[in-house]
Amino acid sequence: DTAVSQTPKYLVTQMGNDKSIKCEQNLGHDTMYWYKQDSKKFLKIMFSYNNKELIINETVPNRFSPKSPDKAHLNLHINSLELGDSAVYFCASSYRGETEAFFGQGTRLTVV
Amino acid sequence: QKEVEQDPGPLSVPEGAIVSLNCTYSNSAFQYFMWYRQYSRKGPELLMYTYSSGNKEDGRFTAQVDKSSKYISLFIRDSQPSDSATYLCAMGNSGYSTLTFGKGTMLLVSP
Repeated sequence: DTAVSQTPKYLVTQMGNDKSIKCEQNLGHDTMYWYKQDSKKFLKIMFSYNNKELIINETVPNRFSPKSPDKAHLNLHINSLELGDSAVYFCASSYRGETEAFFGQGTRLTVV
Repeated sequence: QKEVEQDPGPLSVPEGAIVSLNCTYSNSAFQYFMWYRQYSRKGPELLMYTYSSGNKEDGRFTAQVDKSSKYISLFIRDSQPSDSATYLCAMGNSGYSTLTFGKGTMLLVSP
């Protein structure tokens, strides 16, 4: 059973388009995250949600909007995609109060 | 100065070698220290987790934390080709903080 799953795994799209990435976890965790890994492999937090509530919002353009319909799901919607948005986006989850995070397999976004 | 520094490598070793991977950090508030392993085109997977200073051993892997020097290490004994991956250190300053990652060190173990 996949603990943290993301869809799609690969996403190629044109500049200016709007796209969404979905994430689901079956670990019973109450906190979910979105991380961005750039071409230099640097992994950086974007958002964190606890029980559907936004608790961390790093300096991310407003074009990125996370949505958590329930504590097992955290989706990422990106408007007006730019070339610089090309990266691998990772979803992760944990229990609040525990720093061990479990990651999904990543979504490789390429904006052309 | 970046919060977490990690040599990107690549680090190439022959099978059976002892590998030492390291990170330095500047934030003295960090108390939780983790090592993640990331295979190519996969998500990071948690390998080792330590709290505060000291050593922790799990099979061929040993994690060391020296808070006085702000330095953490991961040792891999009897390295195997299957250990070839990127190793990321990660740190947090409380159970309610998010993780700050190093850039990762690519390890290549040749048969």
